[in-house]
Amino acid sequence: DAGITQSPRYKITETGRQVTLMCHQTWSHSYMFWYRQDLGHGLRLIYYSAAADITDKGEVPDGYVVSRSKTENFPLTLESATRSQTSVYFCASRDRAEQYFGPGTRLTVT
Amino acid sequence: GEDVEQSLFLSVREGDSSVINCTYTDSSSTYLYWYKQEPGAGLQLLTYIFSNMDMKQDQRLTVLLNKKDKHLSLRIADTQTGDSAIYFCAESIHSGGGADGLTFGKGTHLIIQP
Repeated sequence: DAGITQSPRYKITETGRQVTLMCHQTWSHSYMFWYRQDLGHGLRLIYYSAAADITDKGEVPDGYVVSRSKTENFPLTLESATRSQTSVYFCASRDRAEQYFGPGTRLTVT
Repeated sequence: GEDVEQSLFLSVREGDSSVINCTYTDSSSTYLYWYKQEPGAGLQLLTYIFSNMDMKQDQRLTVLLNKKDKHLSLRIADTQTGDSAIYFCAESIHSGGGADGLTFGKGTHLIIQP
């Protein structure tokens, strides 16, 4: 189906482990984004990408790494997960003014 | 830095109009957005307005923008139980390469009374 998908939808991991959240879009949008949603903070931008191989930091990038080797994929990696990274993560892509969000990944770090 | 403020809760009776308000700080924002989030779901783009517009109407939704006061509102006419959700206001951030991420408010919980 066309659209933006994220996997896994739910993930539980332990402190210190590496975990990668996947994001895939079928529209070939140039711009892609990662946000985290936490109670009391709304959504905050982690990283964004203007095109394949072009990425940059957003508001809260510490502890995260991204890559974008293909236009349609934008994985987010937590190199050494911490409890403060327990959150819901949303991937998004943009076409002109319209930014569309994936269904989210709920990550729990124990 | 950018900041977007919204009230946390709004309670309205079914059939009435709902007006959700938002203030933002970045006068250079190109677009301003309203998203809807239902429990356990992602964010649904409801509507957006270009910063040089004052008003945009789309069926039951009316967006008003007062650029001088940096105030944005979303009016939902004839509010129904299906409108019960969290509504987020967001402004575009000028990021590198034209990526334009968004800065979000904390969201307004719209509660519908029968």
